Amino acid sequence: QAVVTQEPSLTVSPGGTVTLTCGSSTGAVTSGHYPYWFQQKPGQAPRTLIYDTGNKHSWTPARFSGSLLGGKAALTLSGAQPEDEADYYCLLSYSGARPVFGGGTKLTVL
Amino acid sequence: EVQLLESGGGLVQPGGSLRLSCAASGFTFSSYAMSWVRQAPGKGLEWVSSISIGGGNTYYADSLKGRLTISRDDSKNILYLQVNSLRADDTAVYYCAKESTYDIWGQGTMITVSS
Repeated sequence: QAVVTQEPSLTVSPGGTVTLTCGSSTGAVTSGHYPYWFQQKPGQAPRTLIYDTGNKHSWTPARFSGSLLGGKAALTLSGAQPEDEADYYCLLSYSGARPVFGGGTKLTVL
Repeated sequence: EVQLLESGGGLVQPGGSLRLSCAASGFTFSSYAMSWVRQAPGKGLEWVSSISIGGGNTYYADSLKGRLTISRDDSKNILYLQVNSLRADDTAVYYCAKESTYDIWGQGTMITVSS
């Protein structure tokens, strides 16, 4: 089974920009992995921010964007707000319809 | 209101079984594949199982294969997950989620495996 890697923790200043990445042990992440990004706050269910690399849901704040960057999936937060402090998880799809979550990134806004 | 509502969790002894349910409302349940995702206390998300539209195809995480059965009743708009031979490391919150964009998640139901 593939291993999906994320930064364990990142810190961003209020108003700053940060990029979270999502790599795959099988090689470069492509659009064929249909990368997803989820946000989870303590005590809450996950919420999808990004699907299929860069598509947003109606509730996704404009300051979040998804892309492919250097062989990885990336979630960029531009203009961080205190309410963006949360855990972020990526999900990659593989053949056999068995997707794999990354270990998550704890984002601190400080 | 569009929502998923899980139920069926609880405290169970090692070796026991549980059947989780996920009741869907507010969308055409039968038109979507569905998934179960779990999260152990203080840990990350883990994809557990998925079922296709119509239920003809089912998929399981290798770590749980053989102990799970996912099913759906489109007439009742309910997704199920049967978990057998429960172990302590199955202790987690189990979420159901609507594919393909994972836009809808339930609030989760907790399974605690302990003697």
